[in-house]
Amino acid sequence: QKEVEQNSGPLSVPEGAIASLNCTYSDRGSQSFFWYRQYSGKSPELIMFTYSNGDKEDGRFTAQLNKASQYVSLLIRDSQPSDSATYLCAVIGDNFNKFYFGSGTKLNVKP
Amino acid sequence: GAVVSQHPSWVICKSGTSVKIECRSLDFQATTMFWYRQFPKQSLMLMATSNEGSKATYEQGVEKDKFLINHASLTLSTLTVTSAHPEDSSFYICSARVAVGSYEQYFGPGTRLTVT
Repeated sequence: QKEVEQNSGPLSVPEGAIASLNCTYSDRGSQSFFWYRQYSGKSPELIMFTYSNGDKEDGRFTAQLNKASQYVSLLIRDSQPSDSATYLCAVIGDNFNKFYFGSGTKLNVKP
Repeated sequence: GAVVSQHPSWVICKSGTSVKIECRSLDFQATTMFWYRQFPKQSLMLMATSNEGSKATYEQGVEKDKFLINHASLTLSTLTVTSAHPEDSSFYICSARVAVGSYEQYFGPGTRLTVT
C-alpha cells in the first residue's frame, strides 16, 4: 500500500511570510515528487517537481527532498493571498507510471 | 504548451443515463492519459490509465463495465459513465503524460458530473 500523507490544515500565514508545507511517503522506491496547487472547483496545476535530494528552487517556490527520511516539503516565500489554495503532494512509484496523491494541505494567506 | 482540455466542463444527467467525457491534449501527443475522480474535500483517486490503441488499465475497485475508457488517438481519450447513479456524482479529471519517458503529467480542467 503506497501512502502519501499530508496535514490537511488549514495552514494560515500572514502575507509576506514563508509557508511551509510537508509531505511524507511510505514507499522507499518512489522516484519523483510533485507539488500541485488546486483552487476550489478547479483541477490541479503543476508547481514543481523534484527527484534529487536537497533543494530545488523555482521563483518563490522551493521543494526540499529528503529520501532517507522520506519526506518532501514545499516552501513558499513572500506568500500572497493568491497562493491560498490546496496543495497536493504526489509521488511516482517504482513502476514509473502511477501517481499517488496526498489528501492535500489547505493554505490560507491572510492579507 | 502542454494544454489539456476536457468537455463538457459540467453536466447534469438523470439516473440511469450514460455520460461521455472527452479529454484532449491540444498541443502535444499523449501516449498515456489518466482518469481521476475527486469527491468534495478529498484527494484525487486514480481510476484508470489509458494508453493509445490498447485497453485501459483500471485500478482496483473501479468497475470497467461502468466506466468505459477509449483512447482512440494520441490526442483524445473518452470516459463514459454508463447507467449513472447519484453516487457517481463527482469531479472527473483527466491528465496526459507529456512524453514517453517523462514523469510529468498535466491536468485537464475537470468535469463536474451531477446525477439526479
